[in-house]
Amino acid sequence: AQSVTQLGSHVSVSEGALVLLRCNYSSSVPPYLFWYVQYPNQGLQLLLKYTTGATLVKGINGFEAEFKKSETSFHLTKPSAHMSDAAEYFCAVSLNQAGTALIFGKGTTLSVSS
Amino acid sequence: NAGVTQTPKFQVLKTGQSMTLQCAQDMNHNSMYWYRQDPGMGLRLIYYSASEGTTDKGEVPNGYNVSRLNKREFSLRLESAAPSQTSVYFCASTEVLWTEAFFGQGTRLTVV
Repeated sequence: AQSVTQLGSHVSVSEGALVLLRCNYSSSVPPYLFWYVQYPNQGLQLLLKYTTGATLVKGINGFEAEFKKSETSFHLTKPSAHMSDAAEYFCAVSLNQAGTALIFGKGTTLSVSS
Repeated sequence: NAGVTQTPKFQVLKTGQSMTLQCAQDMNHNSMYWYRQDPGMGLRLIYYSASEGTTDKGEVPNGYNVSRLNKREFSLRLESAAPSQTSVYFCASTEVLWTEAFFGQGTRLTVV
């Protein structure tokens, strides 16, 4: 089985500041990790994903995340926040294993102030 | 480029009524999912279908049933709606269980 914990239900930053959204996971086998973004009244769209290989993955809109197996973490970062980044962000994990499915964290709402 | 299509987008039910939420994908994906989204709870998995002909319970299956009608369609049925089922429901699909998920736009359901 797998699970995801997102630390901080709400993060506030100023425009131009670093964005850091935290995600920790637990799984019994190597995980596949994802970050999704949801804008108000919309469905979710993929920001980036880690499957295998390079542990630093780059996504859309300048976001990136680093898979750290020793820390069981997959934190999302962006060097400089933009007003348009305000949204809800979800970390998710799935396993290459029968009987499992994509599981989400509870989400982090990012607010960006000018 | 339809992707994942959910119907209806909005629905109001009275307690005890039944309804079926429809979901269809045109990406030839094998796996499909139903989630509910509630404030502060994230997305919780209700049921999923790893492949055509199979369905499995997720975290919160009570009060729901599903049907994988064919490879494209995966429906969610509420037999006797309760106010606790007021939520936003999302359907999603993936090529296989561990790949990128594509989501529908959601169904906002209110049970009064």
